[in-house]
Amino acid sequence: KAGVTQTPRYLIKTRGQQVTLSCSPISGHRSVSWYQQTPGQGLQFLFEYFSETQRNKGNFPGRFSGRQFSNSRSEMNVSTLELGDSALYLCASSSIAGVQETQYFGPGTRLLVL
Amino acid sequence: AQSVTQLDSQVPVFEEAPVELRCNYSSSVSVYLFWYVQYPNQGLQLLLKYLSGSTLVKGINGFEAEFNKSQTSFHLRKPSVHISDTAEYFCAVTTGRSGGYQKVTFGTGTKLQVIP
Repeated sequence: KAGVTQTPRYLIKTRGQQVTLSCSPISGHRSVSWYQQTPGQGLQFLFEYFSETQRNKGNFPGRFSGRQFSNSRSEMNVSTLELGDSALYLCASSSIAGVQETQYFGPGTRLLVL
Repeated sequence: AQSVTQLDSQVPVFEEAPVELRCNYSSSVSVYLFWYVQYPNQGLQLLLKYLSGSTLVKGINGFEAEFNKSQTSFHLRKPSVHISDTAEYFCAVTTGRSGGYQKVTFGTGTKLQVIP
C-alpha cells in the first residue's frame, strides 16, 4: 500500500506570493492533518480534515487555509507569504479521526520564502 | 493546559550501547503519550504510544517506553542502538483521547547521534 505523498517536495517563493501544497493520503484513509515544523516553534498543528469537512484548526492566521476533496486528497494554501512561513509542512493521514488511530506522515514539503 | 519537555536536545551514544531519551509532561488530567522518530528529510513515524493499560509500552525497531505517572515521565529506551537509529525523536502528549490530533503537544525533539 502506498504511503502518504506530498507534492511538491521543495518550493521557493517570495514574500507576498501564495502557495498551494498537496497531500494524497493512504488509500482508504479519510482523515488528513497538516502540521508546520520550524526550528523555532517546533511542530505545530495547522488543521484536520475528515470527509471533506474541516474538523479542527490550530492557532494560525487566516492566510492559512485548506480543503479536502471527495477522494480524501487535501490541499493547503498560504496566501501573502511572509518570511516566517518558511518551514517544513507535514501532512498525515489516518483511517478515522482520533488519537487511537495511528497517523502516517508524508515526507513533507519544504517551503522557503525569500 | 498540557506541556511536554524533552530534557536533552542532543544525545550522542556509541553503537551497540543502550540509550534513554527523556520526556516529562505536565497535565492535571489523564494523558496519552507518543514517541515519534524523524529521519533526515522525512516525515514523522510513530514509534509507540501509551493510551491505557500496561505502563511498559513496546514499539517498533526495538524501542520501549515506560509511563510513570508519579514522576510524570515517559522515557524512551533501547538496549542496543544501531547506526540506523540516528534521527530526531519527538515526545508528544494529549489529554483528549476522543479528540483529534489538534490537541497533541509535541516536545522540541532530541537528536540521537549514534557513533560507530
